[in-house]
Amino acid sequence: QKEVEQNSGPLSVPEGAIASLNCTYSDRGSQSFFWYRQYSGKSPELIMSIYSNGDKEDGRFTAQLNKASQYVSLLIRDSQPSDSATYLCAVEVNDMRFGAGTRLTVKP
Amino acid sequence: GAVVSQHPSRVICKSGTSVKIECRSLDFQATTMFWYRQFPKQSLMLMATSNEGSKATYEQGVEKDKFLINHASLTLSTLTVTSAHPEDSSFYICSARDRTGNHEQYFGPGTRLTVT
Repeated sequence: QKEVEQNSGPLSVPEGAIASLNCTYSDRGSQSFFWYRQYSGKSPELIMSIYSNGDKEDGRFTAQLNKASQYVSLLIRDSQPSDSATYLCAVEVNDMRFGAGTRLTVKP
Repeated sequence: GAVVSQHPSRVICKSGTSVKIECRSLDFQATTMFWYRQFPKQSLMLMATSNEGSKATYEQGVEKDKFLINHASLTLSTLTVTSAHPEDSSFYICSARDRTGNHEQYFGPGTRLTVT
């Protein structure tokens, strides 16, 4: 089992819709969870961090964490074409482990 | 937010030569820096973890004699690819963790290495 699993996608949503990105992890000792956005040919950019169960909102982004289910998600409201990118879920225990990423396409 | 720089952004070198990549945290001190490699359409692969003043910890399968890492200060880590070969061509990205204890990692812009 991979340490951090994400659906590779591609996930396609129309402009203005909600994009939902999911991630599961295997290590119950994980304490820190992150979502990064990576545009093609660029390095990852941190967009959200979450450390406790529940929801954390930042603008159009909401991260959700459920440690009992070992599940973390990212919701993007009012999706824009500029949100089209690969979204990486990262989980930290002793070091950071990344999922393979979900490719999101927002169609105008 | 925290800023991490990398230099050079692109480099082309001949097979058998060595290339040094610098990673700097510009507005914070980083006790730990990380080096990743990413091949096209693949995820990030952690190569090594670099702690200031100590030897780097390499991931399984990464040759420490080929990928030399030096973390000489709290703001600078370098990766040297020695005797580069075409299969080393990749996107190398560093990241840094703020020493204040924030678990967030901030990535540099990456270095695209092409070995001919």
